[in-house]
Amino acid sequence: GQNIDQPTEMTATEGAIVQINCTYQTSGFNGLFWYQQHAGEAPTFLSYNVLDGLEEKGRFSSFLSRSKGYSYLLLKELQMKDSASYLCAVKAGYSTLTFGKGTMLLVSP
Amino acid sequence: GAGVSQSPRYKVAKRGQDVALRCDPISGHVSLFWYQQALGQGPEFLTYFQNEAQLDKSGLPSDRFFAERPEGSVSTLKIQRTQQEDSAVYLCASSPESVGSYNEQFFGPGTRLTVL
Repeated sequence: GQNIDQPTEMTATEGAIVQINCTYQTSGFNGLFWYQQHAGEAPTFLSYNVLDGLEEKGRFSSFLSRSKGYSYLLLKELQMKDSASYLCAVKAGYSTLTFGKGTMLLVSP
Repeated sequence: GAGVSQSPRYKVAKRGQDVALRCDPISGHVSLFWYQQALGQGPEFLTYFQNEAQLDKSGLPSDRFFAERPEGSVSTLKIQRTQQEDSAVYLCASSPESVGSYNEQFFGPGTRLTVL
């Protein structure tokens, strides 16, 4: 089976930088996804990492260390609209995605 | 359509009723997934279709849950004799590729099921 762990809640201030961590235990690792989910809405894709290192996409970056079973999502220049749940999901082998419980981020003025 | 659509968006059922939840994936998408998301939790996998074939149903919680995708496009998730613990948001996702490849999934808005 797979075990995915991420903080339940985080708070940050508008304009700041926040890092959301995700640790996982799995066999046959085949990629890690980050999704954003606003309350009552569908999850939307943010990033994908399968090799070690940093992937940057505008204000959002995602990092992966396969040897440590660790990823983080970095959000820069936070905006109020970034208040949402951030879901870490792992793919093992040819299987489907296994999601973590999500990190609820609250951005305050 | 532009994205994945699901209907109804909200469903209230009395305990013991049967319900049917519909998913219209993005046209041409090979893979279709159903997830169950309880309040404050991440989505939990229920079942996966590649075209019309149901290749994985390991996440279905009981034999009261049944899913089909007879023509490889629209899918229906049916829950028989609903129980209060079935209350959740049911998410559908589709992907243009089969599950063995990169496999970005595009999610629908979900159906919120409340069982009284």
